Amino acid sequence: GQNIDQPTEMTATEGAIVQINCTYQTSGFNGLFWYQQHAGEAPTFLSYNVLDGLEEKGRFSSFLSRSKGYSYLLLKELQMKDSASYLCAVTDSNYQLIWGAGTKLIIKP
Amino acid sequence: NAGVTQTPKFRVLKTGQSMTLLCAQDMNHEYMYWYRQDPGMGLRLIHYSVGEGTTAKGEVPDGYNVSRLKKQNFLLGLESAAPSQTSVYFCASSYGDINSQPQHFGDGTRLSIL
Repeated sequence: GQNIDQPTEMTATEGAIVQINCTYQTSGFNGLFWYQQHAGEAPTFLSYNVLDGLEEKGRFSSFLSRSKGYSYLLLKELQMKDSASYLCAVTDSNYQLIWGAGTKLIIKP
Repeated sequence: NAGVTQTPKFRVLKTGQSMTLLCAQDMNHEYMYWYRQDPGMGLRLIHYSVGEGTTAKGEVPDGYNVSRLKKQNFLLGLESAAPSQTSVYFCASSYGDINSQPQHFGDGTRLSIL
């Protein structure tokens, strides 16, 4: 079956760096997305990876290794407003988008 | 910039009642989607549309119907609500297909079925 695994919850300190991992087992691969979702709000797009390597966008970076079925989202210089859930989603060979359950990130002062 | 607008934001229904959730987007997107989000689970696709007048089933279509009579609107109907349909429902749209295009989400409809 198709599966995406993310840690359920992580805690980090304001100003620090945190890495949120995502591993996937899907029938084929056509791209990986990261979304941010604040409690009670809509998911918002963060990044997209289709080739191996690191994509940097300000304080956020996303890495992909297709051979390992692995991605991570790296958040630097953490701010309190980064407290949210981070959703990993993979497009499989049938162009279906498979979503992980999300990682709740708690930022402490 | 309204983006994707969902109505209503909250609703409580009794088992067996029917209702329609409305979604409107002003970005001229071709693709629109309805998801449900339940605790501890990823977003699950209910139905989607690749253009005006078209609809297709997603992962969990049973108990729901949809219509896309106008490009900017995508309606989700529950004909006979069941407690298992208690969830948060999100509408989303994208310029192109989900293979590479990010989706834009509405703020969600919180639906409780008693």
